[in-house]
Amino acid sequence: ETGVTQSPTHLIKTRGQQVTLRCSSQSGHNTVSWYQQALGQGPQFIFQYYREEENGRGNFPPRFSGLQFPNYSSELNVNALELDDSALYLCASSLAGGRTGELFFGEGSRLTVL
Amino acid sequence: AQSVAQPEDQVKVAEGNPLTVKCTYSVSGNPYLFWYVQYPNRGLQFLLKYITGDNLVKGSYGFEAEFNKSQTSFHLKKPSALVSDSALYFCAVRDLNTNAGKSTFGDGTTLTVKP
Repeated sequence: ETGVTQSPTHLIKTRGQQVTLRCSSQSGHNTVSWYQQALGQGPQFIFQYYREEENGRGNFPPRFSGLQFPNYSSELNVNALELDDSALYLCASSLAGGRTGELFFGEGSRLTVL
Repeated sequence: AQSVAQPEDQVKVAEGNPLTVKCTYSVSGNPYLFWYVQYPNRGLQFLLKYITGDNLVKGSYGFEAEFNKSQTSFHLKKPSALVSDSALYFCAVRDLNTNAGKSTFGDGTTLTVKP
C-alpha cells in the first residue's frame, strides 16, 4: 500500500458534464502526475505538477486541466466530457520533479461517461 | 519520442518454473526503465528500476530484470514462479532528454501461473 489516496473511487457522469478528481500524495513527495488508463491499455501520461506548476504534458486536449496545492495534493479537472473519457484515472506521486524515481500510484478513480 | 513494446499479451507458466516477461523500448537519450505490477481493480505497484550501473537489477518479491542496451530490452524474470505472481505487468520508460517526468508505459502483459 502506498500513501497516495484518490477520490472518488467510482463515478458516473453524462456526456458534456465536468468532473474533478482529487489526489493526496505520499508524505514528503512534491511531485504529482496523472495518468489515464483505458480498458486493456497501459497508463497514458496526462500531465505532471511540480511545486504547484505544470512541468510536463502528454497528448491530451486543454479540457484536461489540473492544479497542485501547497500541501502537494492535486486535482484533475475534465470539462465537456466525452464517451472516450471513460477510464481509470491514476494519480502518482514522486520526488524531485519525478526525474529519476519510481512512481507511487493511488488506487485510481474509475470514471464512466454515459 | 519514447515508446515501450510488450510483445506478449499473455504469459502462462507452471508454478515453480522460471518466468520471463519481455519488454523493448525506444528513447532518444539515456533510458530510465521500470517494471510495475497491477492487481485487479488496483493501482500500479513498483517492482524494480534501472537507472545506471549493473545491468541486472533486483526488485521486490524475487523479481529481477536485465538491461540490454544493444537490444534495447529490459525483460522481467523470476527463477521460480508462484501462483500469487499472477497479475498484469507493465514496463515503463522515462527519457530525461525530453518531457521531464513523463513515463511511457507498455500495454501490459498478463501473467498466469498455474498450480
